[in-house]
Amino acid sequence: GAVVSQHPSRVICKSGTSVKIECRSLDFQATTMFWYRQFPKQSLMLMATSNEGSKATYEQGVEKDKFLINHASLTLSTLTVTSAHPEDSSFYICSAPTSLSTDTQYFGPGTRLTVL
Amino acid sequence: GQQLNQSPQSMFIQEGEDVSMNCTSSSIFNTWLWYKQDPGEGPVLLIALYKAGELTSNGRLTAQFGITRKDSFLNISASIPSDVGIYFCAGRRNTPLVFGKGTRLSVIA
Repeated sequence: GAVVSQHPSRVICKSGTSVKIECRSLDFQATTMFWYRQFPKQSLMLMATSNEGSKATYEQGVEKDKFLINHASLTLSTLTVTSAHPEDSSFYICSAPTSLSTDTQYFGPGTRLTVL
Repeated sequence: GQQLNQSPQSMFIQEGEDVSMNCTSSSIFNTWLWYKQDPGEGPVLLIALYKAGELTSNGRLTAQFGITRKDSFLNISASIPSDVGIYFCAGRRNTPLVFGKGTRLSVIA
């Protein structure tokens, strides 16, 4: 299947700092990527849809000024958690549909964010 | 909004047993996807279904897209220890994927 990578896989930061997470599609181009958040033993919660060349679409209740999304190219989307606080600690996962079928999404390995 | 009910929430089975889990939706979907997630990892796509009534296999896994387009099931035959993990169903119709809450599978050797 298609490959999506994320970097870093794990990050620990101090409260008040900003953290950038990268999501890359390695063997296909993705005009759209999705960012999810997952709390322990919970399902995936869609945060936003990242669109190449235009603004991201945020789900209800997700602060766009806190979770900055930039889809710089057809293979890269970044999520920046600004002024992180302990409650932002979570598992962040991106996904991208392949060009063959927009319904089939492949997920990255996730990024574990811990805010102290 | 769209909701997915996934059951069972968790299962404990003996190695070699068959497993069945399902998802039902309050609305119609055009696509059903089944994922497996290991601890600390992202979900891995197991099977994708695009047509009502479609039955698709991937090794020991078989999934079906319900005729009503509101449900899907996943079967795992002859379970092995590496089947342990959380299985998520996901559906879509003109919206981003909607996920079930997952089925946590434990396999006792």
